[in-house]
Amino acid sequence: NAGVTQTPKFQVLKTGQSMTLQCAQDMNHNSMYWYRQDPGMGLRLIYYSASEGTTDKGEVPNGYNVSRLNKREFSLRLESAAPSQTSVYFCASSALTGYANQPQHFGDGTRLSIL
Amino acid sequence: GENVEQHPSTLSVQEGDSAVIKCTYSDSASNYFPWYKQELGKGPQLIIDIRSNVGEKKDQRIAVTLNKTAKHFSLHITETQPEDSAVYFCAASKVNAGNMLTFGGGTRLMVKP
Repeated sequence: NAGVTQTPKFQVLKTGQSMTLQCAQDMNHNSMYWYRQDPGMGLRLIYYSASEGTTDKGEVPNGYNVSRLNKREFSLRLESAAPSQTSVYFCASSALTGYANQPQHFGDGTRLSIL
Repeated sequence: GENVEQHPSTLSVQEGDSAVIKCTYSDSASNYFPWYKQELGKGPQLIIDIRSNVGEKKDQRIAVTLNKTAKHFSLHITETQPEDSAVYFCAASKVNAGNMLTFGGGTRLMVKP
């Protein structure tokens, strides 16, 4: 009954350090997404993977890279962290969209602070 | 690209009253409109969604209405309870766009007992 699991839940980094955020889903979903949420704002899409083997940029991809490791796992990497990347990061997954959009299911987030 | 605006940003109601949150979208091709509830320290949870071929959808105390002509949709919560207190987000997306969601800025709903 786990759904979407994100690790770690909290992390503090220094400027310039690198880090990988992990996400795994157990719903056999084809599509996975990474969002960031800043105070007082809605979620903004960083990258998504419509299916295993594909990744595409979202609204705010600069400074990030992603890897779709397999059908279950989708990771987000910060190569050289900057204070502007302090945020809460959410991973989501959905069934494959065909002729109709599919609901996205979210994890509980990773709270990342960059000093 | 799509732009979604959400109002109000905060809403305070008395327990038992109704609450209405409104969103407008800019892209007339958008055809899927979900609503999410986010509790403190948690991820957004889907509470209801509506597609453009439907004008209204209900699920117990929650309803969503869609006006495609005016490009706006609303969330209605009746008989509010303290556990309805949370941040609510609307979103929009269109088919053949990677299922990408564009979110509104959120509404903090406070239900006073």
